[in-house]
Amino acid sequence: RKEVEQDPGPFNVPEGATVAFNCTYSNSASQSFFWYRQDCRKEPKLLMSVYSSGNEDGRFTAQLNRASQYISLLIRDSKLSDSATYLCAPLAGGYNKLIFGAGTRLAVHP
Amino acid sequence: EPEVTQTPSHQVTQMGQEVILRCVPISNHLYFYWYRQILGQKVEFLVSFYNNEISEKSEIFDDQFSVERPDGSNFTLKIRSTKLEDSAMYFCASTGGRDYGYTFGSGTRLTVV
Repeated sequence: RKEVEQDPGPFNVPEGATVAFNCTYSNSASQSFFWYRQDCRKEPKLLMSVYSSGNEDGRFTAQLNRASQYISLLIRDSKLSDSATYLCAPLAGGYNKLIFGAGTRLAVHP
Repeated sequence: EPEVTQTPSHQVTQMGQEVILRCVPISNHLYFYWYRQILGQKVEFLVSFYNNEISEKSEIFDDQFSVERPDGSNFTLKIRSTKLEDSAMYFCASTGGRDYGYTFGSGTRLTVV
């Protein structure tokens, strides 16, 4: 089983749509989780941390299900500028090693 | 907003040559990392560095790779004898602690010809 698994997509959605991405991770010892967004040929940029109680930041909501070892990201009211690849990243190991999934590509169209 | 700075942004090198990729992490961060991303593939962990020593490294980080923090601000990745398959984007990252996520630099695109 891969350490981090994500549906590669692409998810093609119209502006204003709600879209959700899931991610599963294999290391049950992971304690912290993050979503990053990556634009083509750019660096990953931190979108949000994922807390056990769930986390909301504007149009973005992240949730964690430890029992099933998955995290999710919900984007409401999609904008054209949300088009990017979304990377799931649990922390592993004692020195905060982020392990990235391959990412889910989102394309928002007019 | 503090940022991680990487130089050069693009480097072309001949196979077998040595390259040094440079990074200036955020000044009060304690943990430093190198990742790479081959075109079309996922971001892969190479090495973590804490308290002036390597804390963890991946299988990719073999004897051809080394890291150094020579002067308390720069953090370098050296590839001793580059291979074609080393062509990738190399990202440096730093963090102040476990709960804060990493800040990544804008990367160095390494092309080995």
